[in-house]
Amino acid sequence: DVKVTQSSRYLVKRTGEKVFLECVQDMDHENMFWYRQDPGLGLRLIYFSYDVKMKEKGDIPEGYSVSREKKERFSLILESASTNQTSMYLCASSFKNTEAFFGQGTRLTVV
Amino acid sequence: AQKITQTQPGMFVQEKEAVTLDCTYDTSDQSYGLFWYKQPSSGEMIFLIYQGSYDEQNATEGRYSLNFQKARKSANLVISASQLGDSAMYFCAMREGLNRDDKIIFGKGTRLHILP
Repeated sequence: DVKVTQSSRYLVKRTGEKVFLECVQDMDHENMFWYRQDPGLGLRLIYFSYDVKMKEKGDIPEGYSVSREKKERFSLILESASTNQTSMYLCASSFKNTEAFFGQGTRLTVV
Repeated sequence: AQKITQTQPGMFVQEKEAVTLDCTYDTSDQSYGLFWYKQPSSGEMIFLIYQGSYDEQNATEGRYSLNFQKARKSANLVISASQLGDSAMYFCAMREGLNRDDKIIFGKGTRLHILP
């Protein structure tokens, strides 16, 4: 079974903190994605990566950065967390041209 | 501009009836893929069905089928004989191109309620 694991299920952080969300996949997938999910807005793509050290901006990259130093790991970084970044964050991975497999999600609350 | 449009924010359907969830997409690529995912209240994202732009037949997976109308850029999900367990959020998604740097984008979703 494909496994995509996000490091935390729930996270509470303070405004201005630097936040790391980690995602690991065990299927040797080339592609990895970070989305945020908000009610009424669906899943919005923040960043994605198609190879180690490669990254592409999605639709809402502002306030976020990513890191992919190893194929299996894709990290989302909130440089200075703000309350409007309170959301559900979903990581996914895939081979080229196939469906994406998702992690269980991280519900981040910024206070 | 929104590339995936799901016009039904919510739907109520009687158990055992068939359900059609609408999805239209916008792309200028000739090669693309369309996906449907289910998200129950537990929050997990479950892949349901895939349709490639060059596939001549509509995709089917058990009770799920994808009504693919390429000229209309429509990829509706049809659930036959709905069950209470089908109550969930459903997302349509698209992957453009066949390149390694292709992204997958999602619609806003449709919340489906199956009534007993």
